[in-house]
Order: sequence, then structure tokens, then C-alpha cells
Amino acid sequence: KNQVEQSPQSLIILEGKNCTLQCNYTVSPFSNLRWYKQDTGRGPVSLTIMTFSENTKSNGRYTATLDADTKQSSLHITASQLSDSASYICVVSAIQAGTALIFGKGTTLSVSS
Amino acid sequence: GAGVSQTPSNKVTEKGKYVELRCDPISGHTALYWYRQSLGQGPEFLIYFQGTGAADDSGLPNDRFFAVRPEGSVSTLKIQRTERGDSAVYLCASSLRRSLAADYNEQFFGPGTRLTVL
Repeated sequence: KNQVEQSPQSLIILEGKNCTLQCNYTVSPFSNLRWYKQDTGRGPVSLTIMTFSENTKSNGRYTATLDADTKQSSLHITASQLSDSASYICVVSAIQAGTALIFGKGTTLSVSS
Repeated sequence: GAGVSQTPSNKVTEKGKYVELRCDPISGHTALYWYRQSLGQGPEFLIYFQGTGAADDSGLPNDRFFAVRPEGSVSTLKIQRTERGDSAVYLCASSLRRSLAADYNEQFFGPGTRLTVL
């Protein structure tokens, strides 16, 4: 069964600190992996998209890594800001005719001052 | 507008009623998706349109749910005989096109419609 598991479920950090969110998946055949940021009451916004051949991709203070062999990804946030408080969702796409986007439940990040 | 818009932003209805949720995708985007997101969960796929046709409706939970996109732009998600379990945020997303070989096309999400069934 195609699944995406994220950890931790929630995380609280101080402003300025770094953090790393984890994503494990069992989706096959794998097409690509995305990280989305979802602010409360808003739709998800794409941060990064990585295909099988990409190991890392950055978007400002966000850096995503992908290990397609172990089926693991991480999202590293550097020098966190209060505005980083949101839910971060890992989404994996399979190669098939359907829409095939499998969403994780997300990690809720709270950045405090 | 520049982004995906959804109306209404909030909808409160009574059990057994019929509701319609509207999605206006980004102009020129041929692919349109509907998702349902319950509290504390990630979005759950409902249905995907390529143009006017529903290319994949495997996520619709039962026959009370139906969606249309008659002109290949605006889409309406219709829920009949609503139940309390239908309460959720309904998200719409659009993308420029759909590639079967490698779905690299970014999906842009709307703000969602929060449906509450009393």
C-alpha cells in the first residue's frame, strides 16, 4: 500500500534555531517527492519538488534531501523565523495514470520567540 | 486573479442538505484536482479533471459526491444528503498540464472551503 509517514507529528523550536523534519514513504513506482508548507486556514504552497535523480534541493532557508534507495526525505529549515510556523506536508507522486499524489499527515511546526 | 480561488470560504449546512462548492483554477491550467482535508490530516485525493473530463474519480468516497467541470475551467463539487462526517476543508488545486510519464507539474492550491455539517 502506498503510504507517506512523517515525523515528528509536531515540533516547537525557538526563533533562530534550525530543525529537520522527516518523511518516509513506500510509494512505488516513485515519480517525485514534494514538500508543501500549509499555513493555518490556507491551502498548501509548494516548497520543493525532487525527482528520483535529485538528492537535494534548496529554496531559501529550506533544504530538502532525498534518498530514493532508503525511501526517505528530510526538510531542513535554517535560522527559523516566526513565519515558519505552519504544517509541513510531504507528498509523494507515483507513476501511474491517476493523480497519484499521496500526502503525509504533516508536521506541525511552532516557532516561538 | 493570479491564484486558485474557492467559494464559499465557509459553508455551514444541516445534515441531509445539498451543497455545492466552487473552484476557479488559474487561467490556462488544464488539470484540476479536488481534495478533502480533515483536521490534523493531510489532504486526501477526491477527483482529478483533465480538461472537461474526470480522468480519475477513484477518491470520491461514495455516490453522494459528484464533481463537474463543463467548460474545462471552473469546477463544482456537489455533495448530496450531507452527513456530519463530510465536515472538512475541501481544497482545490490546478496545474498547467498532466504528464503521465512523470508528474512534475506543480499543483497550486486554493484556500479551501470549510464545510461544517450540523
